[in-house]
Amino acid sequence: RKEVEQDPGPFNVPEGATVAFNCTYSNSASQSFFWYRQDCRKEPKLLMSVYSSGNEDGRFTAQLNRASQYISLLIRDSKLSDSATYLCVVKRGSTLGRLYFGRGTQLTVWP
Amino acid sequence: DGGITQSPKYLFRKEGQNVTLSCEQNLNHDAMYWYRQDPGQGLRLIYYSQIVNDFQKGDIAEGYSVSREKKESFPLTVTSAQKNPTAFYLCASSRLAGSYNEQFFGPGTRLTVL
Repeated sequence: RKEVEQDPGPFNVPEGATVAFNCTYSNSASQSFFWYRQDCRKEPKLLMSVYSSGNEDGRFTAQLNRASQYISLLIRDSKLSDSATYLCVVKRGSTLGRLYFGRGTQLTVWP
Repeated sequence: DGGITQSPKYLFRKEGQNVTLSCEQNLNHDAMYWYRQDPGQGLRLIYYSQIVNDFQKGDIAEGYSVSREKKESFPLTVTSAQKNPTAFYLCASSRLAGSYNEQFFGPGTRLTVL
């Protein structure tokens, strides 16, 4: 079983739409959680960390359910510039913990 | 500007040749990492290093070697023993302390074996 599972999509949505991505992780020892964004043929960049109480950054909301080992990302009012691949990432351990990446969910926002 | 640089951006190699990918960071990070990304797959860890002159194998270390002689530098050698080396290689670095310490990535090197 993979460490991190994501629906690969693709998700194709119109501008202004709300879209949600889901992710599950297999190891209950995972301690930290992230969403990274990767544009086509570029390096991944941190979008946001995901905290136990859930957190919001502008149009982006991340949720964590440790009991179900489930992470979500909600994007409201989608913009064309949101088109990218979104990577779900979990970290095991507190200091030099390993990062485990999902395959990514591809999002295309059309005008 | 602080960041991570990788060179070259594109690299072509003949079968049987070893090649070395460069990774340099000026973020004063202790930890550095090498990942490989193939189409439709997540990033897979090749090697990582916490301190100078020390490194550990990741999930797919076979056919690769690394060195960490300086804090700023973590070059990766793709040897002829790597059966399928064509991929996108990403170097990253991070602070050691803290659960939510971000990994910063370089722009990557695309390696193609001819």
